[in-house]
Amino acid sequence: GAGVSQSPSNKVTEKGKDVELRCDPISGHTALYWYRQSLGQGLEFLIYFQGNSAPDKSGLPSDRFSAERTGGSVSTLTIQRTQQEDSAVYLCASSLAYLSTDTQYFGPGTRLTVL
Amino acid sequence: LAKTTQPISMDSYEGQEVNITCSHNNIATNDYITWYQQFPSQGPRFIIQGYKTKVTNEVASLFIPADRKSSTLSLPRVSLSDTAVYYCLVGDMDSSYKLIFGSGTRLLVRP
Repeated sequence: GAGVSQSPSNKVTEKGKDVELRCDPISGHTALYWYRQSLGQGLEFLIYFQGNSAPDKSGLPSDRFSAERTGGSVSTLTIQRTQQEDSAVYLCASSLAYLSTDTQYFGPGTRLTVL
Repeated sequence: LAKTTQPISMDSYEGQEVNITCSHNNIATNDYITWYQQFPSQGPRFIIQGYKTKVTNEVASLFIPADRKSSTLSLPRVSLSDTAVYYCLVGDMDSSYKLIFGSGTRLLVRP
């Protein structure tokens, strides 16, 4: 595709439910990143993928969070047993490779609201 | 863990030059410095990137001193549409190449 796409754009769920957030990176980009942004706050780095591998998962806030990437393309961020503090915009980005010289292209984000 | 520090907010007026400085004391030898711009309800967008000295493009200039422990984003003659949050991004030498965004600077341009 022309850019990074994310779905859904908005998700409202009840506390305790599981949610899946999807990211479609730019075709050919090997690196993929997930960030979280709470209202009025900066970007919190969650996890990155090089191909299908996530070398460092320490940025995930808790063991309720998990992410996977298949086929070197689509990635899914799963939040189990959602809590109200999980409410935020979840942003996905991709870059050609995992280098600080590579521009990260961001998707529009998924706004998650946990009631 | 490497850390970047930026002013939380800045105010300016249309037509003025705005300089936003980011401190990054633990920048690694091979890391570049990248700045992003974010408008409300949008993902961040690349503005400029540099390694040392000065870089200029059609949008901004980036000044990096010899020790590379800081960088300054310069926006010439800002307009109302430059109101946004600006993020500084560098590599994290302590954490296996994790990329860390700064806290962001909220720039407000007034008429």
